[in-house]
Amino acid sequence: DTGVSQDPRHKITKRGQNVTFRCDPISEHNRLYWYRQTLGQGPEFLTYFQNEAQLEKSRLLSDRFSAERPKGSFSTLEIQRTEQGDSAMYLCASSSQGGVSYNEQFFGPGTRLTVL
Amino acid sequence: QKEVEQNSGPLSVPEGAIASLNCTYSDRVSQSFFWYRQYSGKSPELIMSIYSNGDKEDGRFTAQLNKASQYVSLLIRDSQPSDSATYLCAGFNAGNNRKLIWGLGTSLAVNP
Repeated sequence: DTGVSQDPRHKITKRGQNVTFRCDPISEHNRLYWYRQTLGQGPEFLTYFQNEAQLEKSRLLSDRFSAERPKGSFSTLEIQRTEQGDSAMYLCASSSQGGVSYNEQFFGPGTRLTVL
Repeated sequence: QKEVEQNSGPLSVPEGAIASLNCTYSDRVSQSFFWYRQYSGKSPELIMSIYSNGDKEDGRFTAQLNKASQYVSLLIRDSQPSDSATYLCAGFNAGNNRKLIWGLGTSLAVNP
């Protein structure tokens, strides 16, 4: 069973640049989530997909952030015009809508973003 | 009241002891809960889920949910140094089984 994968694992960029992260969920999971986590905090919800539909997006999320899941499989998270405050660990999780592990969210290894 | 509250710790226990981690929640959190373990610099790893009042056991871990008191706990028996990590409690936003609401985590140190 292949878990959730994320790419890249680390990204260092300069302020003002755009960055894009990729997440590949567990293959049979139709739900995909993006979170952001900073030191000493719990994960902060960013957005949620069921299949290819983006069903919820955090109101705290700037317009600089956009996410897609075009074919209901992998997802991308793009941050435009990065700011130093965007430095964080970006986490992707997936879950199934049924089965034994119904609603349990499994996380990928994360992408650590550093904005200089 | 915060939606999900945890004591930040650190909680320190000797090897072989029982570690008890606690979490309280508000009415804005539904009664499905998850415990995650997170090592420094790593992503959260699911340990236990609990949906019903009472106890749920899995190996050395027992989750307890008390809906009347809005309290959920995680017991770790025979604690090992490898259990040293931050433990995060999370529950679903009430009426929305998609968005998890997270506590800030409790840091556990198991001393050899």
